[in-house]
Formats: sequence, structure tokens, C-alpha cells
Amino acid sequence: EDQVTQSPEALRLQEGESSSLNCSYTVSGLRGLFWYRQDPGKGPEFLFTLYSAGEEKEKERLKATLTKKESFLHITAPKPEDSATYLCAVGSYGNNRLAFGKGNQVVVIP
Amino acid sequence: DTAVSQTPKYLVTQMGNDKSIKCEQNLGHDTMYWYKQDSKKFLKIMFSYNNKELIINETVPNRFSPKSPDKAHLNLHINSLELGDSAVYFCASSQAGGPNIQYFGAGTRLSVL
Repeated sequence: EDQVTQSPEALRLQEGESSSLNCSYTVSGLRGLFWYRQDPGKGPEFLFTLYSAGEEKEKERLKATLTKKESFLHITAPKPEDSATYLCAVGSYGNNRLAFGKGNQVVVIP
Repeated sequence: DTAVSQTPKYLVTQMGNDKSIKCEQNLGHDTMYWYKQDSKKFLKIMFSYNNKELIINETVPNRFSPKSPDKAHLNLHINSLELGDSAVYFCASSQAGGPNIQYFGAGTRLSVL
């Protein structure tokens, strides 16, 4: 069974204080690793997909990286609008479902 | 123009009632999903349909019954609601041949009193 563990569960950052979120996973054969952002009262919003170890993707202040066992979401010089819960999910070959982690709740203080 | 829309956004009801949540997607996707997000924010898959055919049916009480009249719609009917059914329910869709990027609706917050 595919499993995802995210750490830390919660993170408070000062505006401009860069940090990283961790997503550790176990899958039978990784088809893709997905990062989503979820704001309170809203549905998860897709950010990135990573498919193979060594791959990196960036969007504004966010950068996602992937190894064979984990993914990191780096937040560079965060702003208050980056406050959200970040969800990591994995999908494996021969499986139509995504397995989600419990999320990293990030609060950026002005 | 909302890609995945679900109604209602809020649903407050008494124990024992029957209720439905509707979902529609205009992305042209073949696969649709229902998830339950509990108070700890954990997203758990309940059902998935591919082109009106049930392909994922997790261990969910049989009081929950999904219905897909066409590939753009996936509704969730819940019979005999219980307190433990209180949660946020999300609909999502993706291209077939997954797992692919899933696009989520805004959620339906169900409160059973």
C-alpha cells in the first residue's frame, strides 16, 4: 500500500524566513508525486507533479524536488499569502488512486 | 467558469436523514472521485468512476452510494446519516489512465446534528 508521511505537521515562519517541507513516501513503483496547496474552506489546488528522482520544478517562491524516497517543497522568502496547508500525494503504476499525506500547515507571519 | 463544481457548499441535517451531494466537471475528464476530509484534514478516497464505471470502492459504509449519470457528473447519496459522517466531502476529476493530476471542487461541509 502506498504511504505518505509529511513533516512538520505545522510550521510558523516570519515573512522572508525560508524553509522546507518534507514528504516521505513508499510506493511499489512511483508514477508521480503531486504537491497541492489547500486554503481554508477551499479544495486542494494543484501545484506540481514530479516523476523521477532528480527532477525539480519551480513556481514563484516554491520549488519542489524529488529523490527516490522523499520530496521537499522549499519556500523561499515566504509572504503571508503563502500561508496554507500543503498536501503531498503519490500515485503508483497500475493504480488509479492518489495516496495523500496529512499535510504541512504553514503560517507566515508579517 | 468553475472546472469542478459541487453543490451544496454547506449541508446541515439531522441524524437519520438522507442527503445528496452533486458534482459536475467541465474539463472533459473521464475519471471522477469522491474524497472525505476529516477534522484532521486527512483526505481519504471513497469512490472513483471512469466513464460511468465504478473503479474504486474503498471500505465505505453501504449507506454511501455514488451515481454517475454521465462522465461529467458524479453524485453522492448518503442514507441514514450518522454523527460520524460529519466531514468535508470533495469531488475531483482527472484524465483517465491514471494516476494523473486531479482537480478538486470547493468541497461540501456536511454537519450531522
